[in-house]
Amino acid sequence: ETGVTQSPTHLIKTRGQQVTLRCSSQSGHNTVSWYQQALGQGPQFIFQYYREEENGRGNFPPRFSGLQFPNYSSELNVNALELDDSALYLCASSSWTGGNEQFFGPGTRLTVL
Amino acid sequence: DQQVKQNSPSLSVQEGRISILNCDYTNSMFDYFLWYKKYPAEGPTFLISISSIKDKNEDGRFTVFLNKSAKHLSLHIVPSQPGDSAVYFCAASALRGAQKLVFGQGTRLTINP
Repeated sequence: ETGVTQSPTHLIKTRGQQVTLRCSSQSGHNTVSWYQQALGQGPQFIFQYYREEENGRGNFPPRFSGLQFPNYSSELNVNALELDDSALYLCASSSWTGGNEQFFGPGTRLTVL
Repeated sequence: DQQVKQNSPSLSVQEGRISILNCDYTNSMFDYFLWYKKYPAEGPTFLISISSIKDKNEDGRFTVFLNKSAKHLSLHIVPSQPGDSAVYFCAASALRGAQKLVFGQGTRLTINP
């Protein structure tokens, strides 16, 4: 059984740029959620995708957007990067018909200069 | 508005003894609770969960207790082992709707030999 994978591992961008982060969900899972974890904090929910549609969104501005593909992989796009966007971005996959256990990838560390 | 709180940023326990990590929540809509463990440079790893219809769930060395009236849950690790040293996150969700997890700030557990 393949776990959740994310790419890239690390990324450095400058303020105002755009970034795309990628996630492959665990086999058998059809739901993908994205979280932002700032230093010293717990992960914060950005949004969730199920059947290629956004299914719930946290308190993040519209410049955070996403996609889910037919193979259940997903992308997180952030436009007009700000310094405060520097964080660890975590992708989690789950099965909609299961419980609420979500299984996380290793994350992408984004640094905005 | 911190809906899930872990008031102890750190905890130090001797190897072989019991580790008790605590978590409080404020939102009465939460009906499913999870504990995750996180090592540096890795994503959170799911440990154990409990639904609000139960007050205890055990899995090997890990037991989670839920006190709904106090809106409090705890994770007990017995016996504690050096490999248990990590940051532990408590998370809560509502079973209906989007599987959004709301995390606490985390507790860093250190097991001393």
